[in-house]
Amino acid sequence: AQSVTQLDSHVSVSEGTPVLLRCNYSSSYSPSLFWYVQHPNKGLQLLLKYTSAATLVKGINGFEAEFKKSETSFHLTKPSAHMSDAAEYFCVYILRGSQGNLIFGKGTKLSVKP
Amino acid sequence: SQTIHQWPATLVQPVGSPLSLECTVEGTSNPNLYWYRQAAGRGLQLLFYSVGIGQISSEVPQNLSASRPQDRQFILSSKKLLLSDSGFYLCAWSLTAAGYTFGSGTRLTVV
Repeated sequence: AQSVTQLDSHVSVSEGTPVLLRCNYSSSYSPSLFWYVQHPNKGLQLLLKYTSAATLVKGINGFEAEFKKSETSFHLTKPSAHMSDAAEYFCVYILRGSQGNLIFGKGTKLSVKP
Repeated sequence: SQTIHQWPATLVQPVGSPLSLECTVEGTSNPNLYWYRQAAGRGLQLLFYSVGIGQISSEVPQNLSASRPQDRQFILSSKKLLLSDSGFYLCAWSLTAAGYTFGSGTRLTVV
């Protein structure tokens, strides 16, 4: 069965240090994977997506993610955290052939300390 | 450019009262439209989707219903709210499976 696992429910970093948010997936097929960010009481904003093109995907706000099939991972990274990056991040898998059936990870809350 | 509007942003309703949440999309035609619910500490759950006017598919049996009276309008309703209907409701649209755009959400609290 397809699934998405976000390995950390909460990550705390200092401003200016690197960010790593981990995501592993389980799928029998080549997946479409996304990272979304959600600020408090806001909707979801797409950061980046992988749809079987380049394995290193660059997104908005300096984020990027690398699809590693051998590790079934799609970790989100950023070289230098900014205070405005504090939010909740969701790794999302689209079920092949489905209609809107996005499989969401449980989310990782990112805190950024000054 | 395409935009999606969702309102209201927050809503507090008593148990047993009706509900109507509205979502509209601009800048695109014949989008696929979706309603999701996000309960505290969980990911999103797909409630309804629509591929065209008057076409509604329900993913989860519940106290809610959806309607699509116009191409770019999607409405989530309930005749009588339950406490368990509390949550964060998100509308989304897509043209392909490669991209979903979400509205800003409605925080519903049933008291």
